Amino acid sequence: SQQGEEDPQALSIQEGENATMNCSYKTSINNLQWYRQNSGRGLVHLILIRSNEREKHSGRLRVTLDTSKKSSSLLITASRAADTASYFCATDEGTYKYIFGTGTRLKVLA
Amino acid sequence: KAGVTQTPRYLIKTRGQQVTLSCSPISGHRSVSWYQQTPGQGLQFLFEYFSETQRNKGNFPGRFSGRQFSNSRSEMNVSTLELGDSALYLCASSLAYTGTVEFGSGTRLTVV
Repeated sequence: SQQGEEDPQALSIQEGENATMNCSYKTSINNLQWYRQNSGRGLVHLILIRSNEREKHSGRLRVTLDTSKKSSSLLITASRAADTASYFCATDEGTYKYIFGTGTRLKVLA
Repeated sequence: KAGVTQTPRYLIKTRGQQVTLSCSPISGHRSVSWYQQTPGQGLQFLFEYFSETQRNKGNFPGRFSGRQFSNSRSEMNVSTLELGDSALYLCASSLAYTGTVEFGSGTRLTVV
């Protein structure tokens, strides 16, 4: 079963704007990871946040985690056309597998 | 360092045939996982291996199998292919289960 649900399913913004994507999950986790996928190719790892962390930054990316609400958000600041892709969150179930969200399709217009 | 390498990149097979996909993890990574991605079902977990042992298996029929070798390289096999097996198959590796999981570029399998 799909644990992660992402919101919105699709997002279209202008270059330079910020993009926020949300991910919700159902069970307790050890960590949550965010990925980017371009046009059905492989997944590119963006950031890992552990259950005892509340926020992490990496370049233009900011990830938050709220374990009480079982949710996470990914913020991309000052977006670029090259950020156009699908974004997925993945949560571990503690049994050697990750469950992926349904993904958010981001389109950044130049 | 080299990333996760999957071969082949593209594959076309006929219904009823079998196929073997290969994955070489990042050097030093001992955990290897496989995922299937389709437009309808999204990313679905197939199985995970660590030190040649399968530690978990997803909800797929027995036609899907895998193995891991002593050098951590992994293969997955699909027998008696069905049209619905057409998908992007992704391999991932990590140092440990709770670490960063890196993915390969995938193998695009088309069953005709």
